Amino acid sequence: QQQVKQSPQSLIVQKGGIPIINCAYENTAFDYFPWYQQFPGKGPALLIAIRPDVSEKKEGRFTISFNKSAKQFSLHIMDSQPGDSATYFCAASMIGGADGLTFGKGTHLIIQP
Amino acid sequence: NAGVTQTPKFRILKIGQSMTLQCAQDMNHNYMYWYRQDPGMGLKLIYYSVGAGITDKGEVPNGYNVSRSTTEDFPLRLELAAPSQTSVYFCASSRQIGQPQHFGDGTRLSIL
Repeated sequence: QQQVKQSPQSLIVQKGGIPIINCAYENTAFDYFPWYQQFPGKGPALLIAIRPDVSEKKEGRFTISFNKSAKQFSLHIMDSQPGDSATYFCAASMIGGADGLTFGKGTHLIIQP
Repeated sequence: NAGVTQTPKFRILKIGQSMTLQCAQDMNHNYMYWYRQDPGMGLKLIYYSVGAGITDKGEVPNGYNVSRSTTEDFPLRLELAAPSQTSVYFCASSRQIGQPQHFGDGTRLSIL
């Protein structure tokens, strides 16, 4: 049972465009939603995270939009650059639970020059 | 700052062999986790620990064991390696529940 569904699986965007990656979750007990960025040969690194009490969070060129009623959240990358090419994972967890993160399957993003 | 250190980086095992994947963190984090990453499947939790002496199963624990004798170390043991355990293994740690998890760079394991 996949509790966090991520789409698209892969995405190609021209430099300067705005890639959007979407995630949907099923467990209404989830209350922490991070995004991780992973480069080849490296471990995932936290990019940005949001809690359900806000609908949007921005950090630099990265924005999370959160829709609690629809149980969906998305990552937008403004003014995308070739260096943003990586695999992006959404995840979810319960702040009150110790049992790790539930990850989406990942989106392989390519930013073309 | 070393963060989370995993060793070895690569390993090839024969079916039936055993090995221990090492994980150490120097951030004094209470919570530690082991995940496996398979192509196109995201990361799945194998085991986790909320502190020294306390461990619990995650989503995919079969074929693995862990121990947590110190705050810093959280080794993962494969007793009888099987081809299905070919994967990339990541260790992570966090200070508290709901805080960011910091990942190591992984161990790439092939079982032949």
